[in-house]
Amino acid sequence: AQKITQTQPGMFVQEKEAVTLDCTYDTSDQSYGLFWYKQPSSGEMIFLIYQGSYDEQNATEGRYSLNFQKARKSANLVISASQLGDSAMYFCAMRPINDYKLSFGAGTTVTVRA
Amino acid sequence: DAGVTQSPTHLIKTRGQQVTLRCSPKSGHDTVSWYQQALGQGPQFIFQYYEEEERQRGNFPDRFSGHQFPNYSSELNVNALLLGDSALYLCASSFGTTLAKNIQYFGAGTRLSVL
Repeated sequence: AQKITQTQPGMFVQEKEAVTLDCTYDTSDQSYGLFWYKQPSSGEMIFLIYQGSYDEQNATEGRYSLNFQKARKSANLVISASQLGDSAMYFCAMRPINDYKLSFGAGTTVTVRA
Repeated sequence: DAGVTQSPTHLIKTRGQQVTLRCSPKSGHDTVSWYQQALGQGPQFIFQYYEEEERQRGNFPDRFSGHQFPNYSSELNVNALLLGDSALYLCASSFGTTLAKNIQYFGAGTRLSVL
């Protein structure tokens, strides 16, 4: 079974600053995918970024980057140049290659201040 | 290109009733997964449908059942509703492959309240 841990229940960040959201995971699988999703108050889960366990480079998607440290089993999300629209709940998730389900952490609420 | 669509958006039921939630996948996707998200928690996997068959199930009782149609759309049925079934139900669509980079795209969810 996979366990995803997000230790920060809530964070405040000033507009235009960067914020790092922590995620650690526990798995015995060697091949897996790591995902970050954003969930605004509307409820829709929006895919942000993906990192494969065998990818040599950290993933980046626009203002989102993933700080992947395989040996430490961590996959932290960095949001650069925060915007007011970034205020939402952020979830880290994992899926082993031979599994179909996503396992999610408890989420981190980000509030961007003007 | 339409994304994942779910209906209805909100639903109120009483204990013991039955409910059916619907999901249409993103264009080109053939796989539908259902998740339950209780307030303040991360989503929990209910099951996944591929080729009109349930191919993986999470730790949910038999009261939760589903169906996938030939056009890949899906239904989630919950019988004998309990207060604890109150949650946001999310549908996700994807391709059928097990490749690690197989992204699940979610709909906006159906918020179910059981009174």
